[in-house]
Amino acid sequence: NAGVMQNPRHLVRRRGQEARLRCSPMKGHSHVYWYRQLPEEGLKFMVYLQKENIIDESGMPKERFSAEFPKEGPSILRIQQVVRGDSAAYFCASSPAGTENTEAFFGQGTRLTVV
Amino acid sequence: GQSLEQPSEVTAVEGAIVQINCTYQTSGFYGLSWYQQHDGGAPTFLSYNALDGLEETGRFSSFLSRSDSYGYLLLQELQMKDSASYFCAVSPNTGGFKTIFGAGTRLFVKA
Repeated sequence: NAGVMQNPRHLVRRRGQEARLRCSPMKGHSHVYWYRQLPEEGLKFMVYLQKENIIDESGMPKERFSAEFPKEGPSILRIQQVVRGDSAAYFCASSPAGTENTEAFFGQGTRLTVV
Repeated sequence: GQSLEQPSEVTAVEGAIVQINCTYQTSGFYGLSWYQQHDGGAPTFLSYNALDGLEETGRFSSFLSRSDSYGYLLLQELQMKDSASYFCAVSPNTGGFKTIFGAGTRLFVKA
């Protein structure tokens, strides 16, 4: 059973370009969470999704950021018109349905660098 | 809202015992979790306390006191490989299942 898969592991984008980060949850998991981590800091919650639904996006910046989790395929975190401040590690986590999320399984993260 | 506080850095020697504290402010939550993260790696789950008291898993133990809004992670027989960042986290029961993380404690284990 493969763990949470994120790709790419490293992504370099120029200011103004778009970044698309992918996350495939563990098999059987229907809950996906995205977190952002700046260097030397903790993980900041961004968004919580279930299949085809955004449940909680209270941590998402209002502009330029969007997330989806389609019926088929991975969850996508999309950042439009990236700026230097978007440089961070973006982690995806998944958990099974019907739990209180006692344990979240994290992917290896995507390290975004905006130049 | 929810917030968690933990020391930014702790240093200890190999073989010693270290305690990493976490105090929190939250209106309600399911439980307190601890995660370990090595540099450049993914956070990995260590332990979870739903109820007050001590949970032991090998060299690692975690404690929760809801009345004191306090918890800690105890690491025994420290090894060099334990050098990492440790995060406490709560899962609020205010709707949704997101997990809120503290800023992390960086543990340095010296020979």
